[in-house]
Amino acid sequence: DTAVSQTPKYLVTQMGNDKSIKCEQNLGHDTMYWYKQDSKKFLKIMFSYNNKELIINETVPNRFSPKSPDKAHLNLHINSLELGDSAVYFCASSLASGGGTYTDTQYFGPGTRLTVL
Amino acid sequence: LAKTTQPISMDSYEGQEVNITCSHNNIATNDYITWYQQFPSQGPRFIIQGYKTKVTNEVASLFIPADRKSSTLSLPRVSLSDTAVYYCLVGDIGTNAGKSTFGDGTTLTVKP
Repeated sequence: DTAVSQTPKYLVTQMGNDKSIKCEQNLGHDTMYWYKQDSKKFLKIMFSYNNKELIINETVPNRFSPKSPDKAHLNLHINSLELGDSAVYFCASSLASGGGTYTDTQYFGPGTRLTVL
Repeated sequence: LAKTTQPISMDSYEGQEVNITCSHNNIATNDYITWYQQFPSQGPRFIIQGYKTKVTNEVASLFIPADRKSSTLSLPRVSLSDTAVYYCLVGDIGTNAGKSTFGDGTTLTVKP
């Protein structure tokens, strides 16, 4: 009964390929995120979805396309993979749905280590 | 978005108290301060959150001065298992939820 799960855990692929990473949360949260963590451990937000709607799209190449079929899933599709895409990608979720004074703790998945050769 | 600055790394010994300070000079009125802990090969995990003064839970304490331009995470009596990267996160948990920015993290190494 993992709260936030990601598949696959490891992904090794060639440059130019297209790949997807799946994320699911069973916490009933309204908001989901994708983060990229590089080799220096810098954690950068890429996308944030609230109730299936995109609310953040940081400076990310349009080769990256998030897809949220429902509130519990936020998948990340990457086209034409490049060497620089190699990193660990984390999915996260939080209760936040806008407004309110509750704490907006983010729950992270275990990460997907993407290696582009 | 409030940018945060943390020390890149810190060393400590078992049993000592560790204080990690995060600077956030441009913190906004609606911003909260949150700290996360990340072990190798795992996702970050929430430790503590606060708005002002002091917050304490079973894991850590968070000290926030009146001007809120910095915050200090205090870990009492650290053990080897506290070796991890600690991130300071500043953001609005209300209407702008999800627009918080992680700091670059502080790698804490606890030695025997």
